[in-house]
Amino acid sequence: DAGVIQSPRHEVTEMGQEVTLRCKPISGHDYLFWYRQTMMRGLELLIYFNNNVPIDDSGMPEDRFSAKMPNASFSTLKIQPSEPRDSAVYFCASMGRTQYFGPGTRLTVL
Amino acid sequence: AQSVSQHNHHVILSEAASLELGCNYSYGGTVNLFWYVQYPGQHLQLLLKYFSGDPLVKGIKGFEAEFIKSKFSFNLRKPSVQWSDTAEYFCAVNVPRSQGNLIFGKGTKLSVKP
Repeated sequence: DAGVIQSPRHEVTEMGQEVTLRCKPISGHDYLFWYRQTMMRGLELLIYFNNNVPIDDSGMPEDRFSAKMPNASFSTLKIQPSEPRDSAVYFCASMGRTQYFGPGTRLTVL
Repeated sequence: AQSVSQHNHHVILSEAASLELGCNYSYGGTVNLFWYVQYPGQHLQLLLKYFSGDPLVKGIKGFEAEFIKSKFSFNLRKPSVQWSDTAEYFCAVNVPRSQGNLIFGKGTKLSVKP
């Protein structure tokens, strides 16, 4: 298995632009997680899905953030409009019994 | 609510020194326990995990962890660290057959001096 796949690996955008991050979980995993990691705040859980259904989105910072999982093999995290304070590394992870992380997307908002 | 405590924020060791990183969790029932490692600039990778059975778990790269139920602890150990072990280490717990998310500790940065 290729593991959790995320794209893009790096994204640089300007404030106010829409950003879409993508994730393909490991086949057969029924949980999918979105995390954000910064030096200041560490690792934060944003939202997670079970069988494509959002279970807990209490970590989503504000309405500018939204996540979808239209099917078992794909999820998106969207930020609209983006702000400089959204700059971080965004990790997707999937889990059967064990959680495995993707390589992350490093987002820079100028 | 469950929580995970990692006692040390930053540990500095010389090569060949022994390592023990503390991890305590708060939940009285059955738990699954994990240690993840994050090398500089990389993503979190699974180091080892405990679901049941032998409380002494061996992971990759010579790491091991011991689950002590009475102490709610899952400390990570390595007898002799190398410079390449410089990384951040995260302890995590989840409750099986309950909510699916992992509760992570805040991480311990390990710096190994050559």
